[in-house]
Amino acid sequence: DGGITQSPKYLFRKEGQNVTLSCEQNLNHDAMYWYRQDPGQGLRLIYYSQIVNDFQKGDIAEGYSVSREKKESFPLTVTSAQKNPTAFYLCASSPLEGTQHFGDGTRLSIL
Amino acid sequence: AQSVTQLGSHVSVSEGALVLLRCNYSSSVPPYLFWYVQYPNQGLQLLLKYTSAATLVKGINGFEAEFKKSETSFHLTKPSAHMSDAAEYFCAVSYGGSQGNLIFGKGTKLSVKP
Repeated sequence: DGGITQSPKYLFRKEGQNVTLSCEQNLNHDAMYWYRQDPGQGLRLIYYSQIVNDFQKGDIAEGYSVSREKKESFPLTVTSAQKNPTAFYLCASSPLEGTQHFGDGTRLSIL
Repeated sequence: AQSVTQLGSHVSVSEGALVLLRCNYSSSVPPYLFWYVQYPNQGLQLLLKYTSAATLVKGINGFEAEFKKSETSFHLTKPSAHMSDAAEYFCAVSYGGSQGNLIFGKGTKLSVKP
């Protein structure tokens, strides 16, 4: 079945460590997105990409990095510069002018 | 700048009662509007969307929403709540004339009492 796969479902990070969250889609969508969700805050956009090898900062990009080397993949790295990384991270994809579809998320916690 | 306001972070209804979740938006151009639902520890699932066709939009699971330009509202309703409707609901607006870039409200958590 076509869809968006995020892995792992749960992730733990030690202080000062970078971690990478995976997002893969087989929907042939051009655009991909990363959101951060905190309780009572809704979803906030971290980065998005509309084409391979190009991406744009969202509202809260500081402390995060992304790459888009393949159309199907849009990994997010949470760097040690992100001082409050504990959150639920959601990946989405869409056709360029279409509706976003979401993965099931990765919950990141600090050890 | 575009924004979305969801009135009420928590709404509680009895099973069989009307569900009304409120969403108001600000947009300088005709918007696209969306309602998504999120069950615990899952991603968001699209309930319905308004894209400048009919102002009354029907979605999945018996939900519908009405676009009212004069009130800048896009409230979500369901005539009769079911226990399985308990979830968090997010209203979103797109900007720049594209469906692709969304701004989300802060969400409304719906509880359904037996």
